[in-house]
Amino acid sequence: KNEVEQSPQNLTAQEGEFITINCSYSVGISALHWLQQHPGGGIVSLFMLSSGKKKHGRLIATINIQEKHSSLHITASHPRDSAVYICAVASGSRLTFGEGTQLTVNP
Amino acid sequence: EAEVAQSPRYKITEKSQAVAFWCDPISGHATLYWYRQILGQGPELLVQFQDESVVDDSQLPKDRFSAERLKGVDSTLKIQPAELGDSAMYLCASSGGQSSYEQYFGPGTRLTVT
Repeated sequence: KNEVEQSPQNLTAQEGEFITINCSYSVGISALHWLQQHPGGGIVSLFMLSSGKKKHGRLIATINIQEKHSSLHITASHPRDSAVYICAVASGSRLTFGEGTQLTVNP
Repeated sequence: EAEVAQSPRYKITEKSQAVAFWCDPISGHATLYWYRQILGQGPELLVQFQDESVVDDSQLPKDRFSAERLKGVDSTLKIQPAELGDSAMYLCASSGGQSSYEQYFGPGTRLTVT
């Protein structure tokens, strides 16, 4: 079993829909990251959080340390949100990555 | 805004050839990471540097891979000889500064071995 599990693996939505991507982990962590990877390959950090909730524009990330679970929500989804979303857990400086969720938002 | 630079962006090489990738981290970042990402999977750490010293290279296939960061700034990852299974995205990241554990990723080098 992977230390970091994401669901779903693939997600297709219509423009405007509310989207949720889930991440569960089995190890102790100091922080959790949500990352976005576009088809060109570069990775952009969306959030780093260790408790509670963070919001940036249409993106919201939550974490429940007791349940070892995090969610990434996208409100009013748009085709430009189409990308791979990766959850990564940090133990000190080391990151362990999930396999990613491929999101496709259709117009 | 400061960015992590990588080159080349794309590389096609034949099996058994040597190939090298270059990474220039964000200025002042002491920690540099090389990751390999196979298509459809998350990145896996190959090597981590703190300044010029290797902190973790436990997942680096040392029979064919080498990495150096001689002056503690930019870094080179080399594969010799390349194998078909090395086809992947090679990502460099750096961390340091005010948010010391947040990693900033470069655009990656996509390697295809034929």
